[in-house]
Amino acid sequence: AQKVTQAQTEISVVEKEDVTLDCVYETRDTTYYLFWYKQPPSGELVFLIRRNSFDEQNEISGRYSWNFQKSTSSFNFTITASQVVDSAVYFCALTGGFKTIFGAGTRLFVKA
Amino acid sequence: DADVTQTPRNRITKTGKRIMLECSQTKGHDRMYWYRQDPGLGLRLIYYSFDVKDINKGEISDGYSVSRQAQAKFSLSLESAIPNQTALYFCATSDFTDTGELFFGEGSRLTVL
Repeated sequence: AQKVTQAQTEISVVEKEDVTLDCVYETRDTTYYLFWYKQPPSGELVFLIRRNSFDEQNEISGRYSWNFQKSTSSFNFTITASQVVDSAVYFCALTGGFKTIFGAGTRLFVKA
Repeated sequence: DADVTQTPRNRITKTGKRIMLECSQTKGHDRMYWYRQDPGLGLRLIYYSFDVKDINKGEISDGYSVSRQAQAKFSLSLESAIPNQTALYFCATSDFTDTGELFFGEGSRLTVL
């Protein structure tokens, strides 16, 4: 069975702090994809990144970076120098066998 | 206009009423999905469809039914709504390449009193 665990329910930081959102997954598939989505207070779901199971290279996009480690089944997301606009719920997701399952989400509060 | 459109965006109804949430897409994708979001539970898959003749149950299909009227349309029905079906519902689409990226509608907030 597939599972995605986001152990951090809520995180609160002060603007300009760095913050890491954890994601641990379980799957028996050898080919799978991992995702992060952002859900701002307005409610829509915004795609942030996709990683396939064969690509363990870390990725950086502006203030965002992702660390994928198959050895620990983790796909963590770091926001550097957080801003108030980063306040949102962030979901980690796993696609394998044609279905996508989501973690419970981590709510990030960034205070000015 | 949004590529994936859900109607209604907000609905308040009473226990026992029949409700239909509609989803239409202009992305040309074959695969469509209905998810339910509850606080602390993330998004859970209700039903999915890989083409017009294909309907599959997800993790939480009890109390729901779906209809895939056309490639572009996928409707979710609650035959007799109950309060614990109060949630935010998302329709999503994906292409056939199995990369898994989902394209979401804006969500339909349903409240069952």
